[in-house]
Amino acid sequence: KAGVTQTPRYLIKTRGQQVTLSCSPISGHRSVSWYQQTPGQGLQFLFEYFSETQRNKGNFPGRFSGRQFSNSRSEMNVSTLELGDSALYLCASSPSHGGTAYEQYFGPGTRLTVT
Amino acid sequence: AQSVTQLDSQVPVFEEAPVELRCNYSSSVSVYLFWYVQYPNQGLQLLLKYLSGSTLVKGINGFEAEFNKSQTSFHLRKPSVHISDTAEYFCAVSDIKGGSEKLVFGKGTKLTVNP
Repeated sequence: KAGVTQTPRYLIKTRGQQVTLSCSPISGHRSVSWYQQTPGQGLQFLFEYFSETQRNKGNFPGRFSGRQFSNSRSEMNVSTLELGDSALYLCASSPSHGGTAYEQYFGPGTRLTVT
Repeated sequence: AQSVTQLDSQVPVFEEAPVELRCNYSSSVSVYLFWYVQYPNQGLQLLLKYLSGSTLVKGINGFEAEFNKSQTSFHLRKPSVHISDTAEYFCAVSDIKGGSEKLVFGKGTKLTVNP
């Protein structure tokens, strides 16, 4: 079974631009979560999607948004990029059926650098 | 809100020596606990998990962890480490709310195995 894939792996953007990152979950997984990893703040939860609906959201500004498609693939978008958005963005998928703990399987991440 | 504390940010150890990476969590409800490993330029890989049952959990690559409810700890151990175990290790607790599950991570412990 193929793992979680994320594209692109590396991205360089300029302040003020916007960016879209893509995540394809493991086949059959319906939950997709996004995390931001920085040296200062560590791993922080951005949001989770399940069956095309945002089920949970972390404490990030509205510039961070996402969506999920009917095939469970997910995208996250960051508008008006700031230097502080430079980070590794990790996507994780889970077979989650809600209300219990499931393993989350992580992709390799997208390294975003904002200059 | 749930939180995780990893007591050591860096742990240097010699090859074939035992190692313990410490993790404490704060929660007043049932918890689900995980240890993940991250190799350079890669995503997170699940080492082991505690959902219920036996408090001693065995994972991949010879790692094990013990869940201690009274001390709210979930320390990771390996009796004999290899150079290839050099990586960053993250302890995480599952926060389930309204059917959605997110992981709350500690700041990570960088394990360096020296020859």
